[in-house]
Amino acid sequence: KAGVTQTPRYLIKTRGQQVTLSCSPISGHRSVSWYQQTPGQGLQFLFEYFSETQRNKGNFPGRFSGRQFSNSRSEMNVSTLELGDSALYLCASTAQIGLNTEAFFGQGTRLTVV
Amino acid sequence: SQQGEEDPQALSIQEGENATMNCSYKTSINNLQWYRQNSGRGLVHLILIRSNEREKHSGRLRVTLDTSKKSSSLLITASRAADTASYFCATDEAGGFKTIFGAGTRLFVKA
Repeated sequence: KAGVTQTPRYLIKTRGQQVTLSCSPISGHRSVSWYQQTPGQGLQFLFEYFSETQRNKGNFPGRFSGRQFSNSRSEMNVSTLELGDSALYLCASTAQIGLNTEAFFGQGTRLTVV
Repeated sequence: SQQGEEDPQALSIQEGENATMNCSYKTSINNLQWYRQNSGRGLVHLILIRSNEREKHSGRLRVTLDTSKKSSSLLITASRAADTASYFCATDEAGGFKTIFGAGTRLFVKA
């Protein structure tokens, strides 16, 4: 079974631009979550999508948005990039096992804003 | 503030020694998970312990959960240089998937 695939792996953007990151979950998984990881803040939850609907949202400004397609692939968009948006963005595909969920992570997209 | 908070922030030990990391959380949970992350890469799931479990083993890993204290510990026995990584705990809140991670413990195992 293929794992979670994130593209691109690395990205350099200029302040003010926008960026779109992509995540393909494990086949059959309907839930995708996004996280931002920075050295100072650790892992921060961005949002979670399930069956094309945003089910949970973290405390990030409206510049951060996402969507999920019918095939469960998800995209995350950041508009008007700021230097502080430089981070590793991780996507997790989740499986529900009874009452519990287990997350499977991609390798991440490292975004550098200059 | 974060739901899960690991302690210590950093740990340096010799190969062969045991490493213990702790995690505290704030709300009721369905389960708690531990992950490993090698430098700048994705997270790898290590072990999941359910809220009704107290201890779980997987190879050289031993996880305990104390729901009364809202804390968990991860013990890595007979550590190896390859165990050098950051370790995160994550809690699964009820009512939908919103896994909250702590800032992680950086473990350095010296050969």
